[in-house]
Order: sequence, then C-alpha cells, then structure tokens
Amino acid sequence: EIVLIQSPATLSLSPGERATLSCRASQSIDTFLAWYQQKPGQAPRLLIYDASNRAAGIPARFSGSGSGTDFTLTITNVEAEDFAVYYCLDRNNRPPWTFGQGTKLE
Amino acid sequence: QLQLRESGPGLVKPSETLSLTCFVSGGSISSSSYDWGWVRQPPGKGLEWIGKSYYIGSTYYNAALKSRVIISVDRSNNQFSLKLSSVTAADTAVYFCASWSRCTSSSCYRLFGVDYWGQGATVIVSP
Repeated sequence: EIVLIQSPATLSLSPGERATLSCRASQSIDTFLAWYQQKPGQAPRLLIYDASNRAAGIPARFSGSGSGTDFTLTITNVEAEDFAVYYCLDRNNRPPWTFGQGTKLE
Repeated sequence: QLQLRESGPGLVKPSETLSLTCFVSGGSISSSSYDWGWVRQPPGKGLEWIGKSYYIGSTYYNAALKSRVIISVDRSNNQFSLKLSSVTAADTAVYFCASWSRCTSSSCYRLFGVDYWGQGATVIVSP
C-alpha cells in the first residue's frame, strides 16, 4: 500500500506570500495525484488532478507539479480565503488509494 | 453534473453495523464513467479513504478496514451504500460519499467531471 507524506504539517504565511506544499509517495504513482482544499464543516474541494491540471473554477494562483514520488502544490499570492487544510490523494490505477495527512495553511 | 447525498443513522451502538446510503442524481450509477466510494474524517483528524466500487464489480477497500467494510452499488435505485461492521468509538466520523470519474483524457474530464462529493454525514458510535 502506498503511503503519502505531506510537509510541512503547518505552514504559517501572510496574505500575498507564496505557499509551497509538498507530497511525497512511498513508491511511484506516475502523475496519479490530486490535491484538495478543505475548510471546517465542508467537503473537500478538488483543486488539482493528474498532478498538474487545475479543476474547473479553480483560480490560476493554484498550480501543481511533479511526477513519480514527489509532488508540489503552489499557491502564488495567498489570499485570505486560501487559509485551510490541504490534502493530497493518490489516485493510482492500482487501488487502494490513500490521502496524505494534510498541511494546514494558517 | 452529479449530485450526491448521504443518508443514515447518526448514532450507532458499539459492536453494531454502521449503514449509510448515498443517493445519486443528475446521472446514472450504471455509468461506465465513474467509481463510487466513501471517505471519512474523525473529529479533528484528516481524511481517510474507505473504498470504491465500480457498478459491475471491481471493489477496492482500505486495507485497515477491509475485514469490516462492504461497499455495494444498487443499480435499480441509483444509489450505493456503505456497511461497516463491529464499530467502535474509533469509527466516529463524518462520512462522505464521492464519485470519481474514470477519465484519462481532458475531453473526457470536460464531459464527466473529475469528482463529486456529498455534504457529509456525521456518525457517532456510542452506547
């Protein structure tokens, strides 16, 4: 079973700064990785799929990169509404899938 | 656009079976374009993938829950369900149903979307 490790656990920034979130897989998952944003009391919201494709309606300040075992979610010019918890999800074609443990952007 | 809605008891006794149903609208659960599954989130903790199922089989489960969980698709009622047996307090969580498209191309994703989620159902395990 693939394990995803996210870092850092907490990222403290001010609005306007750049956020860089990391997700590392225990073995190669090609580009089968998604990023989600979750705010309290809400369902996860898809940001990025297949490692680098922005989901419909997601602002251009969110971008994803990586392949194999190392992935990055970048938020340029963080806005107040971006403070939330971010999760990566291994969506590889050999289930089961797994979530990373999350990064809290505060 | 699919819409998903969870339904089921909010309180389950320890050792009993947790049962939730996800009603699907805006599309057919018999579509070859989606997998149907469940994710949970214990209070104050992260997301945990429970499992997913395709409408004609091919069901996959989280290894840690595999011995206790069943996900099934009900084609006649356009819904799918989760059953988790022998529950303990550790199974207290918000349970989300979700559908994930089986697309591999951008044109397919544009047509079917990438994923859809229910709003979540809180289940408490307590005597």
